[in-house]
Amino acid sequence: GQNIDQPTEMTATEGAIVQINCTYQTSGFNGLFWYQQHAGEAPTFLSYNVLDGLEEKGRFSSFLSRSKGYSYLLLKELQMKDSASYLCAVRDRRDMRFGAGTRLTVKP
Amino acid sequence: GAVVSQHPSWVICKSGTSVKIECRSLDFQATTMFWYRQFPKQSLMLMATSNEGSKATYEQGVEKDKFLINHASLTLSTLTVTSAHPEDSSFYICSARGGGQGSSYEQYFGPGTRLTVT
Repeated sequence: GQNIDQPTEMTATEGAIVQINCTYQTSGFNGLFWYQQHAGEAPTFLSYNVLDGLEEKGRFSSFLSRSKGYSYLLLKELQMKDSASYLCAVRDRRDMRFGAGTRLTVKP
Repeated sequence: GAVVSQHPSWVICKSGTSVKIECRSLDFQATTMFWYRQFPKQSLMLMATSNEGSKATYEQGVEKDKFLINHASLTLSTLTVTSAHPEDSSFYICSARGGGQGSSYEQYFGPGTRLTVT
């Protein structure tokens, strides 16, 4: 099975940088995903890592260390609209499972 | 990116009735579709995985006779909640993965269906 852990809540200031960590345990690792979800809406894809290292996409970056079972999502130049839940998801050979999500609040 | 639609977006039904939710991949062939359920302030919980033309694989604790899944074609999967009860009220989200347009690693999510059972 899979065990995915991430902090429940985080707060940051507009314009700042925030790092959301995710640790996981799985058999047959086949990729790690980060999704953003606003309340009442479906998740939207942010990033995908299958090899170790950093993937950068605009204000968002995601890092993966397979040997440590660890990933983080880095959000730069935070904007108020970034207030949302951020879901770490791990795919094994069969399906994708989600962590509980980190609710990020961006304050002025 | 690829588009997945769900219908209806919200539904209210009476206890004991059945509700069908449709999930369609609009511009690619979805060889695999996933159904998730999300309760308020909780994460997505995988209910079942379905491959086109075969029976769905249900997660532990999900009653297959209550949540009927049909993946009849490469663009359509349906979830029927039979004899719905108030505790089935939730946000149901489908996700599709397949070849064609879009990266094969990515799962595309539908907009979700909010079910309220009274």
